[in-house]
Amino acid sequence: EAGVVQSPRYKIIEKKQPVAFWCNPISGHNTLYWYRQNLGQGPELLIRYENEEAVDDSQLPKDRFSAERLKGVDSTLKIQPAELGDSAVYLCASSRTGLAGDEQFFGPGTRLTVL
Amino acid sequence: ELKVEQNPLFLSMQEGKNYTIYCNYSTTSDRLYWYRQDPGKSLESLFVLLSNGAVKQEGRLMASLDTKARLSTLHITAAVHDLSATYFCAVDRGAGGYQKVTFGTGTKLQVIP
Repeated sequence: EAGVVQSPRYKIIEKKQPVAFWCNPISGHNTLYWYRQNLGQGPELLIRYENEEAVDDSQLPKDRFSAERLKGVDSTLKIQPAELGDSAVYLCASSRTGLAGDEQFFGPGTRLTVL
Repeated sequence: ELKVEQNPLFLSMQEGKNYTIYCNYSTTSDRLYWYRQDPGKSLESLFVLLSNGAVKQEGRLMASLDTKARLSTLHITAAVHDLSATYFCAVDRGAGGYQKVTFGTGTKLQVIP
């Protein structure tokens, strides 16, 4: 079974430029998460989808971040415009359901560097 | 606001020794997860603890949860080099039975041969 796929793996941009990250979850997983992991810290949840619905985006900085999961499968996270402080690893995870105890499977992440 | 603290933040230990990583959290929860992250890699689920007194073991690792003390421990028995990684606990405070986790700061473990 293929794991969570993310692309690109690395991205270097200049500040004020836009950037997008793509995630394809494990087949059959209804719940998809986007996390941001700063260097030396644990991941922080940005947004959670149940199928195509964003059910928790309370920690998504909506002035510059947006996300979509149009057909309830793959998802895109966008930053526009990027700031220096956005440099981090962006992780996508999926689970069969979003219920407590259901294991989350993480992708390899996209390492973003904003210059 | 939920705070999740791990200690130690860094741990260097010799092979064959035992040690415990602690995860303290600030508000009530009876659901906690442990993850492992190798350098430059993503997170791998280790344990799911869903009730007070829950204990799970896999190989040289054993995790437990004390919800009254708001404390989880990850115990390492007879460490081997392959256990070198960063370990995160994540406390689940989701409503309605759904997950919403807050990760700890992580404990970077180095096992020295």
